[in-house]
Amino acid sequence: GNSVTQMEGPVTLSEEAFLTINCTYTATGYPSLFWYVQYPGEGLQLLLKATKADDKGSNKGFEATYRKETTSFHLEKGSVQVSDSAVYFCALIPYGRQAGTALIFGKGTTLSVSS
Amino acid sequence: NAGVTQTPKFRVLKTGQSMTLLCAQDMNHEYMYWYRQDPGMGLRLIHYSVGEGTTAKGEVPDGYNVSRLKKQNFLLGLESAAPSQTSVYFCASNPDSSREPQHFGDGTRLSIL
Repeated sequence: GNSVTQMEGPVTLSEEAFLTINCTYTATGYPSLFWYVQYPGEGLQLLLKATKADDKGSNKGFEATYRKETTSFHLEKGSVQVSDSAVYFCALIPYGRQAGTALIFGKGTTLSVSS
Repeated sequence: NAGVTQTPKFRVLKTGQSMTLLCAQDMNHEYMYWYRQDPGMGLRLIHYSVGEGTTAKGEVPDGYNVSRLKKQNFLLGLESAAPSQTSVYFCASNPDSSREPQHFGDGTRLSIL
C-alpha cells in the first residue's frame, strides 16, 4: 500500500543551523509529494510540493527534491530561524487515484529552534 | 480571505453526548475532507466528499457521520461521543483536481470526558 515515513523528532537546532528532515515513501507510479507545516495552535499550511521526478519544490528558504530512485522527498533549509519552530508533515497523493483522494501523511516531525 | 473555517474551535463533551462540527469554505472547492490528528499518528482521514450531496468513508469512519448538503459546507457529526474520539479535527478542501494541494482549517479541539 501507500505510505509515508518521516524521521522521528523532536529535532532541536540552534538558530542558523542547517536543517534536514528525511521523508521516504512507498507508492506505485508517480505520486504527488507535499510538505505541510503546522505552527502551534494552527492548521496545516502547504509549504511546498513536487509532482514529478526530479522536481524541486521551494518556499520560504525550504527545499525538497523528488527523488524517484530513492523514493525520497527530504526537506532542507540552509539556515533555520526561531520562527521555523513547528511540526512538519510529509504527504503524498497516489498517482492515478480517482477524484477526491485524500492525502496520505507521515506522522510529523517536530522542529524546535533556539536562539 | 477566509479560506476554510471550522466551528467551534474548542469543545468538551461528556460520553454519550452528540455534537456537530461545521466546516465552511469560500473557495468554491469541489472536494472536502475531515481528518483527525492524534499524537504520534499524523492525520487520518475520517470521511470525505467529492461534491455536493456526496460522501464517502475514509480510513477511520466508525462513530462519525457526515453530510454535504451545500457545496460550501461539510458537517461532521458524533452521535454518541466516546473518550476515544478525543482529538483535534481538521477540515480541508481542494479544487476539482485530486492532485491539487489541500487547504486546511485551523482545527477543532474536542475532549470527551
